[in-house]
Amino acid sequence: GESVGLHLPTLSVQEGDNSIINCAYSNSASDYFIWYKQESGKGPQFIIDIRSNMDKRQGQRVTVLLNKTVKHLSLQIAATQPGDSAVYFCAAAPGSGNTGKLIFGQGTTLQVKP
Amino acid sequence: GAGVSQSPRYKVAKRGQDVALRCDPISGHVSLFWYQQALGQGPEFLTYFQNEAQLDKSGLPSDRFFAERPEGSVSTLKIQRTQQEDSAVYLCASSRTSGAKETQYFGPGTRLLVL
Repeated sequence: GESVGLHLPTLSVQEGDNSIINCAYSNSASDYFIWYKQESGKGPQFIIDIRSNMDKRQGQRVTVLLNKTVKHLSLQIAATQPGDSAVYFCAAAPGSGNTGKLIFGQGTTLQVKP
Repeated sequence: GAGVSQSPRYKVAKRGQDVALRCDPISGHVSLFWYQQALGQGPEFLTYFQNEAQLDKSGLPSDRFFAERPEGSVSTLKIQRTQQEDSAVYLCASSRTSGAKETQYFGPGTRLLVL
């Protein structure tokens, strides 16, 4: 079946450094991708999204890169801060139908060292 | 409204009991989603409503799970005869328009523990 996976379960970075979190997906028909941040005891919080007609999108301190050839996307966080410590999920929407379903990866825990 | 709200935030049930979990989506949002999140895992899709119509229930794990959204706003997820494997966080999300290709805004979740 369709899957979304993250490359590393945990990423530890120094405060002020840039962070890169990677994600791979299996369904080449997926055409919409989202990154969420989840802090302990809270629901996922939207960070940034990208559609398949783009290969890069930037937000405030975050950039998402999409490589459809190898079915890979990444989230880059610039100047990582302690408040960025959380679990990060990528999610993909299937390209066909109107199902509403998002397929989530298992999450990467980002630890920011002061 | 401010955001998606869910109640109760925590629920402890004895095995075999029925539970009902409530979701209040963002006012005016057409789409509503339920996800199940096991400890240490990503959310898994359960079901999707567009207004009051349940368009996709392919993720409901068994016929013990039932969801409704009778007036196209508040939704209830009901689990009958709860089992220990039902223990998880149940997340509700809503989006402004229809389908998955719009931003889904999540509530804080209901943590269900079945003893």
